[in-house]
Amino acid sequence: AQSVAQPEDQVNVAEGNPLTVKCTYSVSGNPYLFWYVQYPNRGLQFLLKYITGDNLVKGSYGFEAEFNKSQTSFHLKKPSALVSDSALYFCAVRDRGSNSGYALNFGKGTSLLVTP
Amino acid sequence: DVKVTQSSRYLVKRTGEKVFLECVQDMDHENMFWYRQDPGLGLRLIYFSYDVKMKEKGDIPEGYSVSREKKERFSLILESASTNQTSMYLCASGTHSGALNGYTFGSGTRLTVV
Repeated sequence: AQSVAQPEDQVNVAEGNPLTVKCTYSVSGNPYLFWYVQYPNRGLQFLLKYITGDNLVKGSYGFEAEFNKSQTSFHLKKPSALVSDSALYFCAVRDRGSNSGYALNFGKGTSLLVTP
Repeated sequence: DVKVTQSSRYLVKRTGEKVFLECVQDMDHENMFWYRQDPGLGLRLIYFSYDVKMKEKGDIPEGYSVSREKKERFSLILESASTNQTSMYLCASGTHSGALNGYTFGSGTRLTVV
C-alpha cells in the first residue's frame, strides 16, 4: 500500500515566523500527494495537492508544499505563520482503488501551534 | 459548496447495541468513504464505496458494515458496538476524479460506547 509518514507529532512556531510541517512518502509509481487541515471540532479541509508538474504547489490560506522526488518528501510550508493557522495537519497519498475511485491513505497528523 | 452531512455530532451507545452512522452528500458524488480518527493513529479507512450498492473494505473493516442504497447516502453500521469502537468517525465524498481534486469531509460523529 502507498503510505505517508509525518515524523513530528507537534510543531511550535512563533507568529510571523516561517513554518514547515514535514511529510515523507512511500509509493510505487507516481505519487499523488495531498495536505489537509483540521480545525478543532471540524472535519478535514483540502489545502493543496501534487499530481504532476511544478515541484512547488500553492494552496489555500497562503500555504505551499514542495515535492522532492529524491528525498521522497512533500513538506508543507508557509512564509509567515498566523495564530489562526494552529490546527491539525494531515498529509495523504492516493492509495487503493481503480478508475472508479480511489481512497486516500493519511499520515498520523501533526499538531501545529502558533504562538503570539 | 459541497456539503457532507453526518446526522449526529455526538452519540453515546451501550456495548452490544447496533449503531447506525449516517452520511449524506448533496453533490451527486460517486465516491464515499468512512474513516475513523484516533489520537496518535490519524485517519484509518474503514470502508469506501464508488457507486450505489458497491463497497470496498478499507484497512480496518472488522466489526463494521456499510450500506449504500442511494447515491447520496452512505451508512456505517456497527453490528454490535464495543468499547474499542469509541472514536471520531469521519465521512467523505468525491467524484471519480476526486482523488485528483480532493475529497470533502463531514464534521464528524464522536461516538462513545459505554
